[in-house]
Amino acid sequence: DTEVTQTPKHLVMGMTNKKSLKCEQHMGHRAMYWYKQKAKKPPELMFVYSYEKLSINESVPSRFSPECPNSSLLNLHLHALQPEDSALYLCASSHPTVDRELFFGEGSRLTVL
Amino acid sequence: LAKTTQPISMDSYEGQEVNITCSHNNIATNDYITWYQQFPSQGPRFIIQGYKTKVTNEVASLFIPADRKSSTLSLPRVSLSDTAVYYCLVGDMWGGNEKLTFGTGTRLTIIP
Repeated sequence: DTEVTQTPKHLVMGMTNKKSLKCEQHMGHRAMYWYKQKAKKPPELMFVYSYEKLSINESVPSRFSPECPNSSLLNLHLHALQPEDSALYLCASSHPTVDRELFFGEGSRLTVL
Repeated sequence: LAKTTQPISMDSYEGQEVNITCSHNNIATNDYITWYQQFPSQGPRFIIQGYKTKVTNEVASLFIPADRKSSTLSLPRVSLSDTAVYYCLVGDMWGGNEKLTFGTGTRLTIIP
């Protein structure tokens, strides 16, 4: 199994809603990442979890709240988002000390109304 | 972190060999170089990774000169399906908490 699975694929939410994006991998990877990608721009790193601990937070607003319940799951909790937060949210995983290849999911397309 | 610079876009005809160069002048001793391919509305996909000299796999070759300040991704005999954005990343080989940052990428368009 060499997949990173993200759900939902599409999400539309209002600015007062609370929703979550989910990411799952079963490759035994111990590093997991959230990236945000706007149209025609490169992915921007948001958070990195290493061995289920938050190791990097790229000064992301608190309306984005990551969670890593176990080594296979990564969540991104969303609350009080703004329309400019509309983007493709990408999850990735990697083995932290082996080949360093990032495995990406297909992404969750978020639209904030 | 080493900053990368790539051409914004390139066009090529089907069947040609395409070379995309990435500049990373302040690459550190422990840094390795990785290239990813991304199609619209999909996550990036790993193409190739190297530290020095030349690396080849079933889809591409990666050439890294001795000073490691640049690298060149070579795609042999491209087809229309190779139209995508290609990103060069530089990251610490031994870092456990990987702050892998994407550069602007190169938008490659293959012309029939």
